[in-house]
Amino acid sequence: KAGVTQTPRYLIKTRGQQVTLSCSPISGHRSVSWYQQTPGQGLQFLFEYFSETQRNKGNFPGRFSGRQFSNSRSEMNVSTLELGDSALYLCASSFDGVEAFFGQGTRLTVV
Amino acid sequence: EDQVTQSPEALRLQEGESSSLNCSYTVSGLRGLFWYRQDPGKGPEFLFTLYSAGEEKEKERLKATLTKKESFLHITAPKPEDSATYLCAVRNQAGTALIFGKGTTLSVSS
Repeated sequence: KAGVTQTPRYLIKTRGQQVTLSCSPISGHRSVSWYQQTPGQGLQFLFEYFSETQRNKGNFPGRFSGRQFSNSRSEMNVSTLELGDSALYLCASSFDGVEAFFGQGTRLTVV
Repeated sequence: EDQVTQSPEALRLQEGESSSLNCSYTVSGLRGLFWYRQDPGKGPEFLFTLYSAGEEKEKERLKATLTKKESFLHITAPKPEDSATYLCAVRNQAGTALIFGKGTTLSVSS
């Protein structure tokens, strides 16, 4: 059974640009959540999508947005990138909304 | 406010030297407590889910236990390949998000 797939694995962007990250959940999982991981703050919740609807949102600025498609694949977009957005972005999928399984992440570096 | 605190931040062990990692939590109605293992540059790997006080789960050299205020991850006779960061997380009844601790970085030397 394939796990959670995130693409790309690595990205380097310039301040002010925007970026889109992609996540394909485990087959049959309809919930997809996104987290940001930094050395100082640890893992912080960005948002959760279930059946194409944003169900929950963390405490991040509006520059961070996402969406989910009918096949449960999800994308996350960050606009007007700042240096502080450099982080490991993790996607997690869940079947029952309780246990969550993570992908390998996308390492975003903003220069 | 829901909160998770892990201790110690870092732990160095000799191969075969058993020890425990602590995860203290406060949550408005526990829906689940989770342990993950994370290797550098990779995503967290799911280990265990615990739902209620008194519950225990085991996998190879790892055993997780749960009380009403904390969870322990016991590592028996660790090997160098057990070196990683171990993360603890909780989900409350609202189920809004996983709330993570900062992790314990375990180093096992041979």
